[in-house]
Amino acid sequence: DAKTTQPPSMDCAEGRAANLPCNHSTISGNEYVYWYRQIHSQGPQYIIHGLKNNETNEMASLIITEDRKSSTLILPHATLRDTAVYYCIVRPPFGNEKLTFGTGTRLTIIP
Amino acid sequence: EAEVAQSPRYKITEKSQAVAFWCDPISGHATLYWYRQILGQGPELLVQFQDESVVDDSQLPKDRFSAERLKGVDSTLKIQPAELGDSAMYLCASSLGTPPGELFFGEGSRLTVL
Repeated sequence: DAKTTQPPSMDCAEGRAANLPCNHSTISGNEYVYWYRQIHSQGPQYIIHGLKNNETNEMASLIITEDRKSSTLILPHATLRDTAVYYCIVRPPFGNEKLTFGTGTRLTIIP
Repeated sequence: EAEVAQSPRYKITEKSQAVAFWCDPISGHATLYWYRQILGQGPELLVQFQDESVVDDSQLPKDRFSAERLKGVDSTLKIQPAELGDSAMYLCASSLGTPPGELFFGEGSRLTVL
């Protein structure tokens, strides 16, 4: 059963911020939100994760709502290389838990 | 930067033949995962190892699929006999097994069964 809901596809103009939403209304108190992306014909790549505070790293920012029922991944200045499928996953942070992927959002960056 | 190595990158085989995939995780990573990804879908876990022990193989079709990680380092996934529906990308991932448990994926092995 899917624990997250994402739009199937989105477009974003090159150089603009890409905002990818994710709904996870049944998230448990100890579950983190993880984001991965998969560029065509490559393995998934970790982007960022968070519990309840907003997080930022060199790749992206993660904004989690106060009730933790939804989140947004922000790519601040999208480039053509950001074209990929983006997966939002909720998971306990015990270290050896599997990742359960949905179908993700196919993000296309438009030149 | 350390990477998860997989081979072969591509494999074409005829149905009923045997096929094997190999994965070498990042050094020191105790947890190893095999995923299968059918075109247009997200990856699906087939089997998870903690060191040399199987932790989860509930989605592994055990009548034709087998996986081993004998010394707790590299791993092999075998399919015998291959069926048309096995055509997919087979992805290997590894993690330290400690929080936050980030998974590192290899490039995958793409299987085509004719």
